[in-house]
Amino acid sequence: GNSVTQMEGPVTLSEEAFLTINCTYTATGYPSLFWYVQYPGEGLQLLLKATKADDKGSNKGFEATYRKETTSFHLEKGSVQVSDSAVYFCALSDGNNRLAFGKGNQVVVIP
Amino acid sequence: GEEVAQTPKHLVRGEGQKAKLYCAPIKGHSYVFWYQQVLKNEFKFLISFQNENVFDETGMPKERFSAKCLPNSPCSLEIQATKLEDSAVYFCASSQFGDELAKNIQYFGAGTRLSVL
Repeated sequence: GNSVTQMEGPVTLSEEAFLTINCTYTATGYPSLFWYVQYPGEGLQLLLKATKADDKGSNKGFEATYRKETTSFHLEKGSVQVSDSAVYFCALSDGNNRLAFGKGNQVVVIP
Repeated sequence: GEEVAQTPKHLVRGEGQKAKLYCAPIKGHSYVFWYQQVLKNEFKFLISFQNENVFDETGMPKERFSAKCLPNSPCSLEIQATKLEDSAVYFCASSQFGDELAKNIQYFGAGTRLSVL
């Protein structure tokens, strides 16, 4: 079945540092890929998406490129802020529009 | 409305009691989804609806869980005879109708935290 794998463990970094969160997927067909962000006590918010190979999603300084050859959709940001502290989920949508999520990564940005 | 509205925010039930959660999708959205978030981060798909019809129920536990989306009413997720392991945050999401389902963006509510004691 479809699945998403995110790297283990929280990510702690200093303000203005470079952020990378790895995401790889297993899927049949041609899924769409998403990054969602969850701030404390809130629901999920869509951060960015890509619907086909080589598409780059971007929003609020975050970017991710749909790489079919490596089945990856890694999230990057060049200079993080304290306000970026949240949990980040990689997800894919299959033909039934059902989302499969990775386990999420807690990102803590220290001033 | 402009956002997915879930009620209540918190729900506490004793083991064996019934729990009912509600979700009002964004106006004009045809699809509604329910997800269960357990162990702090892990999401599990439960069920989806296209308007009032069940679209995909492959994630629903066979026993005790049921869901409905009736016209002119919020959608609901009901758990009969709750168990300790049902403690989780239940999220509802909605999306618009589109030709290619996989491309649809799902918009999430703030969730209902169910605590079974």
